[in-house]
Amino acid sequence: QLQLQESGPGLVKPSETLSLTCTVSGDSISGSSYHWGWIRQPPGKRLEWIGSIYYSGNTYYNPSLKSRVTISVDTSKNQFSLKVTSVTAADTAVYYCAVTYSRSDWYFDLWGRGTLVTVSS
Amino acid sequence: DIQLTQSPSFLSASIGDRVTITCRASQGISSYLAWYQHKPGKAPKLLISAASTLQSGVPSRFSGSGSGTEFTLTISSLQPEDFATYYCQQLNSSPPTFGQGTGLEIK
Repeated sequence: QLQLQESGPGLVKPSETLSLTCTVSGDSISGSSYHWGWIRQPPGKRLEWIGSIYYSGNTYYNPSLKSRVTISVDTSKNQFSLKVTSVTAADTAVYYCAVTYSRSDWYFDLWGRGTLVTVSS
Repeated sequence: DIQLTQSPSFLSASIGDRVTITCRASQGISSYLAWYQHKPGKAPKLLISAASTLQSGVPSRFSGSGSGTEFTLTISSLQPEDFATYYCQQLNSSPPTFGQGTGLEIK
């Protein structure tokens, strides 16, 4: 049974870089032709897709965040990661990792429980 | 980006009620719509894909319909475990976007 678990600092200072990791269990990232992605939800706002990475390394980003976001995969640890640079209070959100089984349809088939990241000095 | 508007934003209902949530898209998205259920502290769960395809393990009291710009999620007979927030999501064009959510609470 595939499971996803987010981890990382709960507090990040303004202008610094937010870094989160999603640990995948129950399947191998390198052995599966899935997209691995990140979605966030700021307090009181709707869910926002940040971006996804294909198992081969191809990345897809939301244009609204593309200049500040990097998603990468570490197959040796069976993890994928998110970095958001130059954060502000607007980046305060619950961050979810998710997997898309389809090669072409952007459904988010399975999610982690999410982790709250607060941007504050 | 395609905007999705759900109605109502909040819904109060009783066990056994039939409830319907609507999702309207700012432009046509064919049947490229999903519905998710989210309970506090838990991972969001994919309920329906392609507007009307029930995911494996999802109770048959859930159903989805619609195409183009208007979609509905119906729960035929509310059960205690159905009280949650429901989101629609379009995948017709990138970036995928979500509705604002509908909170379903016990009356």
